[in-house]
Amino acid sequence: DGGITQSPKYLFRKEGQNVTLSCEQNLNHDAMYWYRQDPGQGLRLIYYSQIVNDFQKGDIAEGYSVSREKKESFPLTVTSAQKNPTAFYLCASSIARGPRDEQFFGPGTRLTVL
Amino acid sequence: AQKVTQAQTEISVVEKEDVTLDCVYETRDTTYYLFWYKQPPSGELVFLIRRNSFDEQNEISGRYSWNFQKSTSSFNFTITASQVVDSAVYFCALVIQGAQKLVFGQGTRLTINP
Repeated sequence: DGGITQSPKYLFRKEGQNVTLSCEQNLNHDAMYWYRQDPGQGLRLIYYSQIVNDFQKGDIAEGYSVSREKKESFPLTVTSAQKNPTAFYLCASSIARGPRDEQFFGPGTRLTVL
Repeated sequence: AQKVTQAQTEISVVEKEDVTLDCVYETRDTTYYLFWYKQPPSGELVFLIRRNSFDEQNEISGRYSWNFQKSTSSFNFTITASQVVDSAVYFCALVIQGAQKLVFGQGTRLTINP
């Protein structure tokens, strides 16, 4: 079945450690996105990529990094520079290179910093 | 700047009641797109509808209906004869033509009690 997979579902990190969240899609979509969701808040864009080997910062990119070496993969690294990383992270993709088309979301990764 | 406001943080109704989720948006652009997404307890967001700014026709899909009114900058969502499976967090979102990111509202947590 086509869709987006994210792993792991739950992730625990010690302060000062970098962690990488996986996002894979087999929908052949050009665009991919990473969002952060905090309790009682909407989604905030971290990074997005419209094409392989290119990505752009979103509203809250500080403390995060991404890569887009393959069309189907868009991993997110949460670095030790991110001061408050505990949150729910959602990956999404869309067929077009812009957000006006429907975005398909993965099941999310819940990151907890211990 | 664009903004989406979902003033209802939480709504709780009894099954079979009708319920309306409010969404008010702000933008100075004349071409834009509005979305509704559903986030069930499993976490992933599910696309419900997209509407462009030039199409003010109301939309009905089964028990779901949407009322788009440019005069009041609102894009409200009504569930008729609610069911327990409708329990979720619902997000309204906006993107303007040429922009690269969706602007999400804070979400409305809807609980349908049996």
